[in-house]
Amino acid sequence: GAVVSQHPSWVICKSGTSVKIECRSLDFQATTMFWYRQFPKQSLMLMATSNEGSKATYEQGVEKDKFLINHASLTLSTLTVTSAHPEDSSFYICSARTSGLRRGEQYFGPGTRLTVT
Amino acid sequence: RKEVEQDPGPFNVPEGATVAFNCTYSNSASQSFFWYRQDCRKEPKLLMSVYSSGNEDGRFTAQLNRASQYISLLIRDSKLSDSATYLCVVNGEDSSYKLIFGSGTRLLVRP
Repeated sequence: GAVVSQHPSWVICKSGTSVKIECRSLDFQATTMFWYRQFPKQSLMLMATSNEGSKATYEQGVEKDKFLINHASLTLSTLTVTSAHPEDSSFYICSARTSGLRRGEQYFGPGTRLTVT
Repeated sequence: RKEVEQDPGPFNVPEGATVAFNCTYSNSASQSFFWYRQDCRKEPKLLMSVYSSGNEDGRFTAQLNRASQYISLLIRDSKLSDSATYLCVVNGEDSSYKLIFGSGTRLLVRP
């Protein structure tokens, strides 16, 4: 099946620094990529949707200046958490869609666990 | 009210048991429905889509009741490896392919 990778798988950073997370589709072209966040014992919450070459669409309550998303190619999207704070510590998961999938189906990356100290 | 609601559990059942999970969704215009499985500290993985006529995949049966806005998942002959969190997922009415996740139902299958 299709593979989506994320890098890094985990990261620890100091408060105030920025962290970049990469999401790659390894064997298909991702027309749309999604970024989710999951806090412990909670559900995945969609942060933003990005289409290659265009600006990301952010969900209500997600600060676009804090969570910078770049989708420069059909196989790569990046999420940068700027000026990270301890409350940004979470599990960040990307997913990708390609043509031919049933509506609503997505391939998920393995996630990145961010801890801000 | 949450868009997708599930009983968080946990459901603690012996091997071989049959267990059923339920889910309700609030948006009557939702178009597609899924069950995903998530293991601890891992990404969610698609278990099965849910069709209006009901569908079965081995030991797993999913049903959809659009009138009641209710989705179910039945697992027969539970295995230890079925222990996980089961996420009810709904695709929205718009064209953005967004997925709305329930908070999950945790299943523990004991020997």
